[in-house]
Amino acid sequence: DQQVKQNSPSLSVQEGRISILNCDYTNSMFDYFLWYKKYPAEGPTFLISISSIKDKNEDGRFTVFLNKSAKHLSLHIVPSQPGDSAVYFCAAASNYQLIWGAGTKLIIKP
Amino acid sequence: EPEVTQTPSHQVTQMGQEVILRCVPISNHLYFYWYRQILGQKVEFLVSFYNNEISEKSEIFDDQFSVERPDGSNFTLKIRSTKLEDSAMYFCASSLWVQGSNQPQHFGDGTRLSIL
Repeated sequence: DQQVKQNSPSLSVQEGRISILNCDYTNSMFDYFLWYKKYPAEGPTFLISISSIKDKNEDGRFTVFLNKSAKHLSLHIVPSQPGDSAVYFCAAASNYQLIWGAGTKLIIKP
Repeated sequence: EPEVTQTPSHQVTQMGQEVILRCVPISNHLYFYWYRQILGQKVEFLVSFYNNEISEKSEIFDDQFSVERPDGSNFTLKIRSTKLEDSAMYFCASSLWVQGSNQPQHFGDGTRLSIL
């Protein structure tokens, strides 16, 4: 069941540049999407979310874009910092549960 | 900042034994959840709990699983007779409201369950 897909297992970005993480979904009934960041040996930490009535939400260095017609969302981090190195999960809210992507490991190179 | 706490961080149990994983959600949150992540696989939803009742559960959450909020602070997941395939990282989460009202779920650091 691949309702939420993150097709890039890893991404390497130079410090100071923009990191773009992508996520696709198949269920057009999803109306709320979230991005979580996860360090090893820790739980997922909420980063930013977006409702389907919006196409953009911004919080500091983090911006999430939603393209409903393409069923695609992306997380932009600018500028990227070494502390951003982590696994990033995209999740869609469906009733009470979150449906997760497989995650993208972001590596920020100095 | 308030956080979700889970104990123990690592639990090793013999197959067939019962195990209880414990969680203390954020104090003013009303919705509670358990998820698991088998090594190398996606995070999977197990169950959500509100007002002392299960509000939603997945196919994984069969009769071997139960949840309880025994007092005003703890939220537990019990696996009655563990199987090898129950080995996973189990995450507890809580939220103020249900999703869709811009209230994200906040997660604990997880309990690594190893079944021998």
